Amino acid sequence: GAVVSQHPSWVICKSGTSVKIECRSLDFQATTMFWYRQFPKQSLMLMATSNEGSKATYEQGVEKDKFLINHASLTLSTLTVTSAHPEDSSFYICSASKDDYGYTFGSGTRLTVV
Amino acid sequence: KQEVTQIPAALSVPEGENLVLNCSFTDSAIYNLQWFRQDPGKGLTSLLLIQSSQREQTSGRLNASLDKSSGRSTLYIAASQPGDSATYLCAVPPKAAGNKLTFGGGTRVLVKP
Repeated sequence: GAVVSQHPSWVICKSGTSVKIECRSLDFQATTMFWYRQFPKQSLMLMATSNEGSKATYEQGVEKDKFLINHASLTLSTLTVTSAHPEDSSFYICSASKDDYGYTFGSGTRLTVV
Repeated sequence: KQEVTQIPAALSVPEGENLVLNCSFTDSAIYNLQWFRQDPGKGLTSLLLIQSSQREQTSGRLNASLDKSSGRSTLYIAASQPGDSATYLCAVPPKAAGNKLTFGGGTRVLVKP
């Protein structure tokens, strides 16, 4: 199979603090993972492409200093929202692809910044 | 640049009726096409993956067709149930596996009991 696990499923943090979200491929190695953001009743917006062993590629308009991505191993990518503000509150989802299985998505993380 | 469109944006049907969801894409040079389901507040669940060499895929009550030449895919859900209520998304990666997906805007389905 191709399973992607994402943690935490929800998190509440205070303004100004940082939050880390983990994305793990459980039964396959993923040299590339993708991070999305989704606002209510809208489609997914790609934030960045996470590449194992190298810097992430960010989409236009996404602040790389605010959304830090680390892909230190073939099974783990992390997204850290630094100095979080209420406008960062959103649903974040990661994804990875595996040949013959297509793309698999994590269950998402609901971030609320208060 | 690949563009993916889904029509209709929303669909409401009585239980038992068959569902037909449409997806069109502008660049036919695709590696595969994937259909997903998303429930509110949840991640995406892969429903069907159609390789570019295939014309259709089936899983239970679900059947997806692919016509690359016309840039279309259709997802059929037979004998709909209230549990089928969700948003359905089609997505294509351009040209090679591992590249970022291009999503359609989704079709929000409501199956009324």
